[in-house]
Amino acid sequence: DVLLTQSPLSLPVTLGQPASISCRSSQSLVFRDGNTYLSWFQQRPGQSPRRLIYKVSNRDSGVPDRFSGSGSGTDFTLKISRVEAEDVGVYYCMQATHWRTFGQGTMVEIK
Amino acid sequence: EVQVVESGGGLVKPGGSLRLSCAASGFTFSNAWMSWVRQVSGKGLEWVGRIKRKIDGETTDYAAPVKGRFTISRDDSTNTLYLQMNSLKTEDTAVYYCTTDEFNYWGQGTLVTVSS
Repeated sequence: DVLLTQSPLSLPVTLGQPASISCRSSQSLVFRDGNTYLSWFQQRPGQSPRRLIYKVSNRDSGVPDRFSGSGSGTDFTLKISRVEAEDVGVYYCMQATHWRTFGQGTMVEIK
Repeated sequence: EVQVVESGGGLVKPGGSLRLSCAASGFTFSNAWMSWVRQVSGKGLEWVGRIKRKIDGETTDYAAPVKGRFTISRDDSTNTLYLQMNSLKTEDTAVYYCTTDEFNYWGQGTLVTVSS
């Protein structure tokens, strides 16, 4: 099974400051079609998950451009350029190259 | 507007069965592969299983913890996804989410509690 390891697991940030979450896979996430099926999700308190980023770096409709995804192979990163209060929640990476696996989640909170 | 609405959750005894439903609208359900994801209270997300669309054979795949006990099916005539859960265990207690297999549309979840 593919294991996704996120770090940090808890991320206190100051409003207006950047934040970065790492997601490392135990195997390459490049699929045989050449695509890399790594997505990022936000789950605000009491809400369902919401997809922010798909195929590493493609932002979903309506997602603020302060969110960006990058990476390749086994190492991926979600960056928030300037954290806002509404960004509080848990962020998950997920791979859909080898079945589907989620990372453990990273809790983003305001300092 | 896309809507995904799960129902059928509740309290069931260990060893019992439950069937969850998911009513979808606002997108072409018959063209979508669909998944179920669950979340234990206060914990992370766990993929449960997936069903492909009819033209892809309606093939199903399951995560190891539920394989052989859970069955996913779909009814494209009513845009409904199902999750039949048998031989339930206490560790199956979770909120169950219905989502497209692209994970871009999610329901609000339905709580399943397995307890004696």
